[in-house]
Amino acid sequence: AQSVTQPDIHITVSEGASLELRCNYSYGATPYLFWYVQSPGQGLQLLLKYFSGDTLVQGIKGFEAEFKRSQSSFNLRKPSVHWSDAAEYFCAVGARGGSYIPTFGRGTSLIVHP
Amino acid sequence: SQTIHQWPATLVQPVGSPLSLECTVEGTSNPNLYWYRQAAGRGLQLLFYSVGIGQISSEVPQNLSASRPQDRQFILSSKKLLLSDSGFYLCAWRPGLTDTQYFGPGTRLTVL
Repeated sequence: AQSVTQPDIHITVSEGASLELRCNYSYGATPYLFWYVQSPGQGLQLLLKYFSGDTLVQGIKGFEAEFKRSQSSFNLRKPSVHWSDAAEYFCAVGARGGSYIPTFGRGTSLIVHP
Repeated sequence: SQTIHQWPATLVQPVGSPLSLECTVEGTSNPNLYWYRQAAGRGLQLLFYSVGIGQISSEVPQNLSASRPQDRQFILSSKKLLLSDSGFYLCAWRPGLTDTQYFGPGTRLTVL
């Protein structure tokens, strides 16, 4: 079975600073990987996903993530954070085939200081 | 384009009362459907998923049940709510030929 670890519960950055949110996964083969964002009181919005091919994935809102097989990681990055990026971020891993039940990390809460 | 709706957006119910939350998807057919619960600071817990009408799989034994009376409708129910049922309930759908889930806006349930 797959698992996901988001080691940081909270991350605080200043507006305009760069951002990296960590995600580590455990899975026996190449997984499907996702990042979602959740604003307070809202559903989850898909930021980006990795299925295969180029390991650097571009997403919406200026986010990108890099799949590193050797490190079992899929970290989310943004070069310059905006105050509107303050939200909860979830990494998820899905197994290929089967009934497809993804596993979500516990989430990282991003706080942006002006 | 596809759209997912959840009803109601917020709900306050007394302990012991029944519950019915509705999720509908537009613009697609035969989606895979999921119910999640999100407790404060505890991530997402998968409750039920469905691959077709009348086909429900339960992930966690609990006070809740789910039904799929129509292809694009997924209902979460309870006969008697508990305090521990409070939380944010999210419905998600997945196109049958892809591996990406899309989430609805959620329902905030408070049991008093």
